[in-house]
Amino acid sequence: GAVVSQHPSRVICKSGTSVKIECRSLDFQATTMFWYRQFPKQSLMLMATSNEGSKATYEQGVEKDKFLINHASLTLSTLTVTSAHPEDSSFYICSASQGAQDYGYTFGSGTRLTVV
Amino acid sequence: RKEVEQDPGPFNVPEGATVAFNCTYSNSASQSFFWYRQDCRKEPKLLMSVYSSGNEDGRFTAQLNRASQYISLLIRDSKLSDSATYLCVVKSRGNQFYFGTGTSLTVIP
Repeated sequence: GAVVSQHPSRVICKSGTSVKIECRSLDFQATTMFWYRQFPKQSLMLMATSNEGSKATYEQGVEKDKFLINHASLTLSTLTVTSAHPEDSSFYICSASQGAQDYGYTFGSGTRLTVV
Repeated sequence: RKEVEQDPGPFNVPEGATVAFNCTYSNSASQSFFWYRQDCRKEPKLLMSVYSSGNEDGRFTAQLNRASQYISLLIRDSKLSDSATYLCVVKSRGNQFYFGTGTSLTVIP
C-alpha cells in the first residue's frame, strides 16, 4: 500500500530557530499533500494544502510566512517552522492521497516538535 | 457549523462489549467516507472505507446513511487493543478531507 515517510519524528529546538520537516510519498506520486497540526487531546487541524509546482493554500489563521511550505517534486513536500516559539510545540503530520476516490489518506508518522 | 461532527466520548466499555460511534456531516455532496484509528501520540491509520451498502471487516461494521448524512462504526466483541481514538473522515467533491474531532474508546478488562 501507499507509504508516506515523514522526517524527523522528533525534534527539540531553541526558541527563535527554524525547523524543517520533510514529507515523502515513497511509492506513489502526490500532486497534493496536506499538513496538519495536532495539540494534545485535540483533533487534527489542517494547516495548509501543498500543491506541487505552485504556492500552498493556507487555512484561515495560519501564517504563511511562519509556516513555509515547499512542494518542489511529486514526492516531496517540506514544512519549515520559522522563528519557532514554545507555542509552536505540537505534533505535525503530513498526508497525501493517491487520488482515487476510495483510497483515503495516508499519513506520515508525524513530527513531535518541542520548542524550548 | 462544522463539516464533520462526532461525539468525543470518552466511551469506556468492558471487554466483549459492542460499541457504536456515529458521525454526522454537513455537506450533502460529500463523496467518500472513512474511519481512521489513532493511537496515542501516533499518526491516524485508515481503518476502513464506508460504502453506501454498508461494509464489514471482521468485528467492525461501517454504515452510511446519505439521507440523514451520518456514518457509523460498530465494533463487536471489543478487545483491549481496540482502545484508541476513532476519527470520522469525509472527502468532498473537491478532494478536500474533513476530520471529526475523534471519539475516544477505552476497553476495560
